[in-house]
Amino acid sequence: EAQVTQNPRYLITVTGKKLTVTCSQNMNHEYMSWYRQDPGLGLRQIYYSMNVEVTDKGDVPEGYKVSRKEKRNFPLILESPSPNQTSLYFCASNRREGTGELFFGEGSRLTVL
Amino acid sequence: DAKTTQPNSMESNEEEPVHLPCNHSTISGTDYIHWYRQLPSQGPEYVIHGLTSNVNNRMASLAIAEDRKSSTLILHRATLRDAAVYYCILMGAAGNKLTFGGGTRVLVKP
Repeated sequence: EAQVTQNPRYLITVTGKKLTVTCSQNMNHEYMSWYRQDPGLGLRQIYYSMNVEVTDKGDVPEGYKVSRKEKRNFPLILESPSPNQTSLYFCASNRREGTGELFFGEGSRLTVL
Repeated sequence: DAKTTQPNSMESNEEEPVHLPCNHSTISGTDYIHWYRQLPSQGPEYVIHGLTSNVNNRMASLAIAEDRKSSTLILHRATLRDAAVYYCILMGAAGNKLTFGGGTRVLVKP
């Protein structure tokens, strides 16, 4: 079954404690991306990757890091989380630009106290 | 970056068609028009996409204006399960930098 898997699905942490949200896809997609969703603001792109070792900033990259060492994995790293990073996060992958439909994970709800 | 503009919300009666408009006046010639929907407590899911010609699939139809500056997603017979937020986005050849609009919340009344 084609899927994008995120972990953890729910996490409560404290300010400054580094955390990583993992994302894995089993469709051999070149493109992967991260989004955050906040009430009233819709979905905003954090980072995207067009292939292994190729990443670029989206609209709201501050406070986040990513890496793409393998094609299937695209972890989102919060080096020093702050309360304003409390949000619902989605990972997505797609085959290529334009014609490739986006497949989204189920979301990771993060709370930073 | 190309932007899309959608109405905040729309209501429909069950079994009636729903027409969801999207304006994308800054679209470039290589941008594809994609539509996704997000059900409560779920990630967005793909609905349909197109480039220039109108498109149909089992979920919906996509009507694209001749100048490509707007498009309309058509749900032919709305059901209660179609109640969701619908997003129109442009996906282009300039990489995978995507900007989602605010989406349209669709309410289906029985």
